[in-house]
Amino acid sequence: DIQMTQSPSSLSASVGDRVTITCRASESIGNYLSWYQQTPGKAPKLLIYDTSSLQSGVPSRFSGSGSGTDFTLTISSLQPEDFATFYCQQSYGTPPTFGGGTKVEIK
Amino acid sequence: QVQLVESGGGLVKPGGSLRLSCAVSGFSLSDHYMSWVRQAPGKGLEWISYITNSGRATHYADSVTGRFTISKDSAKNALYLQMSSLRVEDTAVYYCARELKGYYFVMDVWGQGTTVSVSS
Repeated sequence: DIQMTQSPSSLSASVGDRVTITCRASESIGNYLSWYQQTPGKAPKLLIYDTSSLQSGVPSRFSGSGSGTDFTLTISSLQPEDFATFYCQQSYGTPPTFGGGTKVEIK
Repeated sequence: QVQLVESGGGLVKPGGSLRLSCAVSGFSLSDHYMSWVRQAPGKGLEWISYITNSGRATHYADSVTGRFTISKDSAKNALYLQMSSLRVEDTAVYYCARELKGYYFVMDVWGQGTTVSVSS
């Protein structure tokens, strides 16, 4: 299975901050990388797929980049509703696998 | 309105069985692959199974192969997960999820989840 490693596992940030989360795959996955956001007690929500395609309805402050094994999710200006856990997921190989998550907390 | 609603979770003893259901509305199961994803308490996400839009193909994670069976009834707009030989480590919130059309394993719509607890 392809292993996905996210860093950091948690971070503290303030409203308005620029936040970057990284995700590394154990082998090349092309651009088959998605990002999900999950708030406590809720289902995950698709933010980005194919590395940089913004899912319909997702604010433009979210962006993704990368290719091969190294990927990044950037939130350009953190908003109160963005405090959550973010997961990367590869859809290149079967089974699809998720990173361990990055919890974004309020500083 | 596109919506997925899971049901069927509960408390079951190790070795027991449970069937989860996912009621689908706002789209046709004939148009989308569907997956089940679970999340153990305080842990991350684990994909466990998918079924193609035609229903002719299924796939499972190694952790559930031979114990879980995914199926669907397009006439009833329902997805199912039959779970047997349940283990303590199967305790989790189980989500059904729709795959974005044309994109394998990109899950664009999720249900609210149903909780399965396996304990003696």
